[in-house]
Amino acid sequence: GAGVSQSPRYKVAKRGQDVALRCDPISGHVSLFWYQQALGQGPEFLTYFQNEAQLDKSGLPSDRFFAERPEGSVSTLKIQRTQQEDSAVYLCASRQGRWSPLHFGNGTRLTVT
Amino acid sequence: DQQVKQNSPSLSVQEGRISILNCDYTNSMFDYFLWYKKYPAEGPTFLISISSIKDKNEDGRFTVFLNKSAKHLSLHIVPSQPGDSAVYFCAASAQESGGSNYKLTFGKGTLLTVNP
Repeated sequence: GAGVSQSPRYKVAKRGQDVALRCDPISGHVSLFWYQQALGQGPEFLTYFQNEAQLDKSGLPSDRFFAERPEGSVSTLKIQRTQQEDSAVYLCASRQGRWSPLHFGNGTRLTVT
Repeated sequence: DQQVKQNSPSLSVQEGRISILNCDYTNSMFDYFLWYKKYPAEGPTFLISISSIKDKNEDGRFTVFLNKSAKHLSLHIVPSQPGDSAVYFCAASAQESGGSNYKLTFGKGTLLTVNP
């Protein structure tokens, strides 16, 4: 594919449900990132992978958030026991090299009711 | 505490004129700066970047200026076109342990409207 692909585009979850958000990075991109964008805010860093290794997860808001990239390609962001404050757009990005810009997907808009 | 600030939530300019979007930062460790453009329901798209060793970078109609002493950068778009109407995000990064810049800190964005 030409760009970063995220699915689903929209997800509505009842409070307390678990959700899984998928990201397909650009082929060959070693680095993968997850960001969270709340309404009216800029994206905020959640976590960073280089290949399958999660090198930084300092931005994950709580232990209910978990990300994985087991084969160094597709990544999944899982949120357990969703709460209303988790409502946001979750953006995935990938990049080719250290000084390359991040290429973002279109995001998954999560609404927790 | 916002480390990257875009103090103008919105800006409106006439087609053909210059658009100037501003960004201030507080973290003196930031050494790489980027501008992203975002259309509704899409992800941010990279526009232009600048390293702290430079004070200007130009790409077509887009020029980014960096004033390190003032911790200020700006994006100039000349001439502005209606298709430039979007939210513009300023972002910055610092070298993390291991020498890699990977964590971007974003401002809240400025909505630019270019009127025909």
